[in-house]
Amino acid sequence: DIVMTQSPDSLAVSLGERATINCKSSRTVLYTSNNKNYLAWYQQKPGQPPKLLISWASTRESGVPDRFSGSGSGTDFTLTISSLQAEDVAVYYCQQYYSTPPEWTFGQGTKVEIK
Amino acid sequence: EVQLLESGGGLVQPGGSLRLSCAASGFTFSRYAMIWVRQAPGRGLEWVSLITGGDSSTYYADSMKGRFTISRDNSKNALFLQMNSLRAEDTAVYYCAKASRTIVASDFDYWGQGTLVTVSS
Repeated sequence: DIVMTQSPDSLAVSLGERATINCKSSRTVLYTSNNKNYLAWYQQKPGQPPKLLISWASTRESGVPDRFSGSGSGTDFTLTISSLQAEDVAVYYCQQYYSTPPEWTFGQGTKVEIK
Repeated sequence: EVQLLESGGGLVQPGGSLRLSCAASGFTFSRYAMIWVRQAPGRGLEWVSLITGGDSSTYYADSMKGRFTISRDNSKNALFLQMNSLRAEDTAVYYCAKASRTIVASDFDYWGQGTLVTVSS
C-alpha cells in the first residue's frame, strides 16, 4: 500500500493569510513515462461530500478559485491557499491514484480554521 | 447535470448484511470507473472499493476483501456495494463517486451525499 501522510493535522490561519498543507507519500506517485503525478486534493466542508480541487498534483479543477494551488512531485506535495477566505474553512485531503492494482489511499486530512 | 444518489444504509446488527445502491445520471455511466469511499464518524476518508468502467474489474481495500462486493448494472446506471459480516468498525457514511476520466487511474469529480451505515446491537 502507498501510505499518504499529511501535515499538520490542523492549522489556524488569519483571514487573508497563506495556508500551507503538506502531503507525503510512502512511494513515488510520479509516472515517469508521462511525467504526471497521480495525486489529487479534495476539500470537505462539514456535512458535505468531498469536492475535487486539484488533479495531477497541480491542475485546478474548473471553477476552483485561483487562490488554491498545488505543487510538488514524486513523494512530496503541497496545497497552498494564498489568501484564506472564510468559506475555505474545511478539511483537506490528498489522495493518490498511482498504485497498481488500484488502491486509492487518502491522507488523514488537515483541518483548516480561522485564527 | 451529473447526479449520484446513494441508498440502502441503515442500522444492522454485527454479523449482518446490507446492500448499498448508487443511482447515477447525467453521464455515460458505463464508461467510467466508480468507487465507494467511507467516513467513520469524526474520521477521515477511507477508500473501500473500485470497479472499472470497461470490463468491470473490481478492487478492494484489504480490510474489506472477502466481506464486501462491488458491482454495477450499466443498463440501469446503478452501482452497488454488498456488505457482509458487518462489524462495528464498518459504521460510517458511505459515498459513491465517479472517476474524472475514462481511465482507471483517475481522481473523482462527482460524489453522492452519502448513506449512513450503523452496525450495532
